[in-house]
Parts: sequence; structure tokens; C-alpha cells
Amino acid sequence: GDSVTQMEGPVTLSEEAFLTINCTYTATGYPSLFWYVQYPGEGLQLLLKATKADDKGSNKGFEATYRKETTSFHLEKGSVQVSDSAVYFCALSGPNTGNQFYFGTGTSLTVIP
Amino acid sequence: SQTIHQWPATLVQPVGSPLSLECTVEGTSNPNLYWYRQAAGRGLQLLFYSVGIGQISSEVPQNLSASRPQDRQFILSSKKLLLSDSGFYLCARQVYNEQFFGPGTRLTVL
Repeated sequence: GDSVTQMEGPVTLSEEAFLTINCTYTATGYPSLFWYVQYPGEGLQLLLKATKADDKGSNKGFEATYRKETTSFHLEKGSVQVSDSAVYFCALSGPNTGNQFYFGTGTSLTVIP
Repeated sequence: SQTIHQWPATLVQPVGSPLSLECTVEGTSNPNLYWYRQAAGRGLQLLFYSVGIGQISSEVPQNLSASRPQDRQFILSSKKLLLSDSGFYLCARQVYNEQFFGPGTRLTVL
């Protein structure tokens, strides 16, 4: 069935470092792909999304490109800040999932000054 | 507005006690609603979803149940809590192909 696999955490970076969180997916058809962010003690917030191959989602300096050939949707940011410390979830959804969402296990990011 | 309210925000309950968590949503009518659980250090587990009043689908067998008595109300219940029910419970609604989440309820079972 459809699923998402994201890199294990936790990830610890110094401020202004480059961030990559890997996400790969398995799906029939052409799902939409998402990154959600969860700040401590809060619910999830949509960070960015891409709905078709080669689309690039971007928000708050974060980017991810929908790569059909590698079935990937890696999250990147050029220069992280302490305020980016959170848990990041990759997810997919689409007609073949009944429009239900499948989430990865989450990757915890801590940015230190 | 697609605001989602969850009540209570935190809850500490003894093993064997009942549970009722409430989720109410604003915005468009007849939303698809979801209950997820997030155990400590783990990802999201889909528990239930509902496409309309009285329509509940369960994703995993367990001692929890859900009900949807009104269009914008989704309730998660248990008759007897287990230690393993501790976690962070999130209600979500789906709008087209995006899910929006409530602030969550932190449940600790002692």
C-alpha cells in the first residue's frame, strides 16, 4: 500500500547550517506530497506541499521538490534558525488513498545557537 | 475559517477510568474529520475518520471509540483507559486535499 518513509532523527544543527530531511514515498498513481511541522506542545501545521511531479513547494525558507523518478520529496532549508526547532512530518495523499493522509514517523530537529 | 477546537487541552486519568475528548470545527459544513494519536517519540497513528454524521470508520482495533453526533462535532471515547492510551490526540479536518489540525489534547494515564 501507499506509504512514506522519512529519515530517522533526532537531528541537531547549529544556527545557519544547511538542513536536509529525506523523505521517500511508495504510491500507486500520483499522490500529492506534503511537509507538516509540529512545534512543541502544538498540533501540526502545513508547511508546504506539491501536487504533481517536478513541482516545488516552498514556505518560510523551506523547499521540497516532488521527484517522481526517485520517489522523493526531501525538505531543505539553506540556513536554519533556533525557531525552526520542531518535528517535521512528510505525508502523502491522493485519489488512490481515498484522499486519506499517510504520515511518516516524524523527524525531530533541534537548532542550537 | 477552518478553526478546530479541542477540549480539554490536557488530561490526567487513572487506568480503568472513562474518557471523552471533544473536537469541534468551524467553517464549511459536512467536513471529513479525523482522530490521530501520537505516542511519545512516535509518528501519527490514524484512529478514526468520519465523512458525515453517524458515519465512523475505525483504522485500528482498540478500546477506543468515536462518535459524530453533529456535523461539526467529533468525539473520542473510552469506557476503560489503559496505560498504553497515553499520548497526544489530534483532531483534523480535510479541506479538498489538505488536512488541518487542532491544537491537540495531551492525555496521561496513570
